[in-house]
Amino acid sequence: QKEVEQNSGPLSVPEGAIASLNCTYSDRGSQSFFWYRQYSGKSPELIMSIYSNGDKEDGRFTAQLNKASQYVSLLIRDSQPSDSATYLCAVRGDSSYKLIFGSGTRLLVRP
Amino acid sequence: ETGVTQTPRHLVMGMTNKKSLKCEQHLGHNAMYWYKQSAKKPLELMFVYNFKEQTENNSVPSRFSPECPNSSHLFLHLHTLQPEDSALYLCASSQEGGTTNEKLFFGSGTQLSVL
Repeated sequence: QKEVEQNSGPLSVPEGAIASLNCTYSDRGSQSFFWYRQYSGKSPELIMSIYSNGDKEDGRFTAQLNKASQYVSLLIRDSQPSDSATYLCAVRGDSSYKLIFGSGTRLLVRP
Repeated sequence: ETGVTQTPRHLVMGMTNKKSLKCEQHLGHNAMYWYKQSAKKPLELMFVYNFKEQTENNSVPSRFSPECPNSSHLFLHLHTLQPEDSALYLCASSQEGGTTNEKLFFGSGTQLSVL
């Protein structure tokens, strides 16, 4: 079983729509959760972090965490073509240097 | 400019060559990491250094040899690599490794091709 699972996509949404990206993880002891955006040929860039159950909003981005369901999601409101990228979910346990990444979901925002 | 600089950006090497990847961070961080990113696979953690001490070796083959002379510099020495080692090698840094809220900042990576 993969430790962090994401649908590889591509997830295609029209410009202006809400894009919903999902991630599940296997380690119940996981404490911190991150979303990275990676444009083609570029390095991952941190866009959101979340540590407690509920929602966390930052501009057009909202991260949602449900530890009971071992589920974390990223919502992108008013999607723009410039949001087209691969979104990586990353999870860290409570006593580890390891940040475990999912394979990423490719998002395509159609003009 | 992310504050983490990697050189070279691209590297092509034969299986008998010896080469080194270099990473430098200008963020005042104390932890540095090497990750491997292969096509269609998750980022794989290779090594972690915290305050110049290696704290994680994720079962990496000995043909990859890391070196961390100080908290700002990290090297990955390569020798007798295999074609399956071709990948994007990413360096990252964080304030202090091992705390749960650590945020990683990545360099631009070295795209390695082993012929």
